[in-house]
Amino acid sequence: ETGVTQTPRHLVMGMTNKKSLKCEQHLGHNAMYWYKQSAKKPLELMFVYSLEERVENNSVPSRFSPECPNSSHLFLHLHTLQPEDSALYLCASSQDWSVNQPQHFGDGTRLSIL
Amino acid sequence: GQQVMQIPQYQHVQEGEDFTTYCNSSTTLSNIQWYKQRPGGHPVFLIQLVKSGEVKKQKRLTFQFGEAKKNSSLHITATQTTDVGTYFCAGGADGLTFGKGTHLIIQP
Repeated sequence: ETGVTQTPRHLVMGMTNKKSLKCEQHLGHNAMYWYKQSAKKPLELMFVYSLEERVENNSVPSRFSPECPNSSHLFLHLHTLQPEDSALYLCASSQDWSVNQPQHFGDGTRLSIL
Repeated sequence: GQQVMQIPQYQHVQEGEDFTTYCNSSTTLSNIQWYKQRPGGHPVFLIQLVKSGEVKKQKRLTFQFGEAKKNSSLHITATQTTDVGTYFCAGGADGLTFGKGTHLIIQP
């Protein structure tokens, strides 16, 4: 039980599909994050939400669209993805959006683009 | 931008040997965090260091934060098969940046 739940665990989609990744945290945290983890690359921060407002967007292509309807839920909407987008997408949360707060990660969604 | 470099990328050890991974930043860090990711798993927070020169221990794991707050190390004494995984450091001043991680492979 990680406190951060991601669905689905695995997703295979074509480049023209539209799908969404879901993240839910049960820790009462105020900040949530999306990361991309590829082989041979460090964890890449994609988006940060603090109190449901986006506070950071690290030059992520517009084919990734985040949504944070409340402090417990975070979505990543995907459309017209490219093969290089195949990766493990990790959601994390922390008490506050602060560099001094440890982050709690979900199990991730393994995404494969055909 | 801020960079956090971690070496080595891979480390093979015999079970029972010691292991060390090093983390270096191009800028002064306000803190350093360490995470462990088991194969097929997700990163799990291990510890945070905040003070210059700080040393913390968790059983066989020893974590150090440099005097200049630009480098850190994780040392594992007498590795066990349960130590297998990737160890990440993460630090920041105005945001948390992760290193590439060190993959620890243990041969029985």
